[in-house]
Amino acid sequence: GEDVEQSLFLSVREGDSSVINCTYTDSSSTYLYWYKQEPGAGLQLLTYIFSNMDMKQDQRLTVLLNKKDKHLSLRIADTQTGDSAIYFCAASFSGGYNKLIFGAGTRLAVHP
Amino acid sequence: EAGVAQSPRYKIIEKRQSVAFWCNPISGHATLYWYQQILGQGPKLLIQFQNNGVVDDSQLPKDRFSAERLKGVDSTLKIQPAKLEDSAVYLCASSSNRPEAFFGQGTRLTVV
Repeated sequence: GEDVEQSLFLSVREGDSSVINCTYTDSSSTYLYWYKQEPGAGLQLLTYIFSNMDMKQDQRLTVLLNKKDKHLSLRIADTQTGDSAIYFCAASFSGGYNKLIFGAGTRLAVHP
Repeated sequence: EAGVAQSPRYKIIEKRQSVAFWCNPISGHATLYWYQQILGQGPKLLIQFQNNGVVDDSQLPKDRFSAERLKGVDSTLKIQPAKLEDSAVYLCASSSNRPEAFFGQGTRLTVV
């Protein structure tokens, strides 16, 4: 069945770049998403990419998609303490009405 | 634009009791999702509505969980009777015919 996997933890120094990685199994996923979750809050949509693209940039965020390897990454430039959160990768499942399958989340810790 | 509204924010019940959660999606959004997020895990889809029809409830424990979406707008999710393992955050999300899905703040359920 469909599955999305992420590394669980990433620690970076303030001002450095962060790269969060994700792999997915459904090669026909139409859209791939990155959501951010802060403590006690819901999920905030950061960005998404259509499967026929290989890169999307939005201010400090860069999404790279390698469709052949089914690998997605999120790069955050100039990481700030306010970026500390859990980041979820999600893939739309081709068999449903835009059903989203989520990974377990990557906890990003930003230290001075 | 108002976001997805959920209530209550927190609920504590004893096992075997019943509980209901309410969701008001973004105006005009035809698709409504209920996700369950257990601590330390990614969200798992419970049920997906397209207008007032169910398009996916494959992971809904139907012996104890039920959901409805009256008139294709608001939705309620009910658990009866609750078990300890139902302790989780219940997230509601909605989307239009665009790829983005927007989440509410969630309801944190604790079953004791």
